[in-house]
Amino acid sequence: DTGVSQNPRHKITKRGQNVTFRCDPISEHNRLYWYRQTLGQGPEFLTYFQNEAQLEKSRLLSDRFSAERPKGSFSTLEIQRTEQGDSAMYLCASSSQGGYTEAFFGQGTRLTVV
Amino acid sequence: GENVEQHPSTLSVQEGDSAVIKCTYSDSASNYFPWYKQELGKGPQLIIDIRSNVGEKKDQRIAVTLNKTAKHFSLHITETQPEDSAVYFCAATSINTNAGKSTFGDGTTLTVKP
Repeated sequence: DTGVSQNPRHKITKRGQNVTFRCDPISEHNRLYWYRQTLGQGPEFLTYFQNEAQLEKSRLLSDRFSAERPKGSFSTLEIQRTEQGDSAMYLCASSSQGGYTEAFFGQGTRLTVV
Repeated sequence: GENVEQHPSTLSVQEGDSAVIKCTYSDSASNYFPWYKQELGKGPQLIIDIRSNVGEKKDQRIAVTLNKTAKHFSLHITETQPEDSAVYFCAATSINTNAGKSTFGDGTTLTVKP
């Protein structure tokens, strides 16, 4: 297994456009997290899936954001009507369930809204 | 919610010296404290972690200490090398209530001068 994979690595979009990012977690991991990281700050939690169920969403996740994890495998994060403030690195992490388990991060998708 | 503060924001040391990064957290329910290293253009990578029932943990040149009473935890890197240069993040997690969701500090940029 090559770890958590995120695509695309970079995305430049015009304000108002929709964008979608994909995350492929480590295959046996049933927990999947999305975080957002802006320059000079640590990752901020956006949302969490256990298998296909989205169990928690941060208030940072406005109604323009939606995340899915069909069949409990890969996940997508969509941002509608992008704004310049959405420019950030979007990180995906996965872990196995139960106890003190390490979260493995992907390399992220850097979004620039112009 | 949980709040994690991390100091210093930047740290420059000479190769071979030690480096110490300190974090405080606010939520007494936090019981798992991972430390991540993030290199440019990459996602965070776990380097060491500590559970709330342990006061200290060491792995080669890296050690972490935890003071639950004071809600402090620290990362110690000895015999620093230029390849240790990166951004380091501390995080606090409540595995019982938040299913592994972590709250991160804002990071410390460590520069090791050869």
